[in-house]
Amino acid sequence: AQSVTQLDSHVSVSEGTPVLLRCNYSSSYSPSLFWYVQHPNKGLQLLLKYTSAATLVKGINGFEAEFKKSETSFHLTKPSAHMSDAAEYFCVPSHFGNEKLTFGTGTRLTIIP
Amino acid sequence: GAVVSQHPSWVICKSGTSVKIECRSLDFQATTMFWYRQFPKQSLMLMATSNEGSKATYEQGVEKDKFLINHASLTLSTLTVTSAHPEDSSFYICSARNHPGERTQYFGPGTRLLVL
Repeated sequence: AQSVTQLDSHVSVSEGTPVLLRCNYSSSYSPSLFWYVQHPNKGLQLLLKYTSAATLVKGINGFEAEFKKSETSFHLTKPSAHMSDAAEYFCVPSHFGNEKLTFGTGTRLTIIP
Repeated sequence: GAVVSQHPSWVICKSGTSVKIECRSLDFQATTMFWYRQFPKQSLMLMATSNEGSKATYEQGVEKDKFLINHASLTLSTLTVTSAHPEDSSFYICSARNHPGERTQYFGPGTRLLVL
């Protein structure tokens, strides 16, 4: 079964500094992978998704992620953090034939002014 | 595109009453919608998969008689929490897929339910 591990439950960065949210997946074959963001008391917004078309995926709000099969990773990055980036981030796998999304615990991103 | 709305955004009800939450796909047709619940500071838990024109598929441990799901059209799914109790207080979020072969789910803004 596919699964992901978000290595950090909480990440704090200063405004204007780079953001790195780590995600490793465990699967016998390449899954589709999504990064979703949830602001407090809000629904989830799709940041970006990997579907094997390109290993470097650019998303909204300046975020991007690189799928590295050799490292089984799909880390989310942003060059310069903004206060509005403070939220919960979820790395979510999906496999062909299984329409469900299984959410892990997520990573809470805090931005320090 | 791919906008999902929910109504109401928040609701307070008395214990023992029923509450209906609507999930609508605004600019696409959704043959499949999903219902999740989220407790404070926790992740999303899938409750059920809602298929247009057929019975919903519930996850293990979710009472289908308590959480009634109706997906009567390609743009609307409803979740009714019957005989709500304080432990049902939670954040309920729906999502929808805009194509049968698409795995991306688009989420609604959520509904906060407080049962007194």
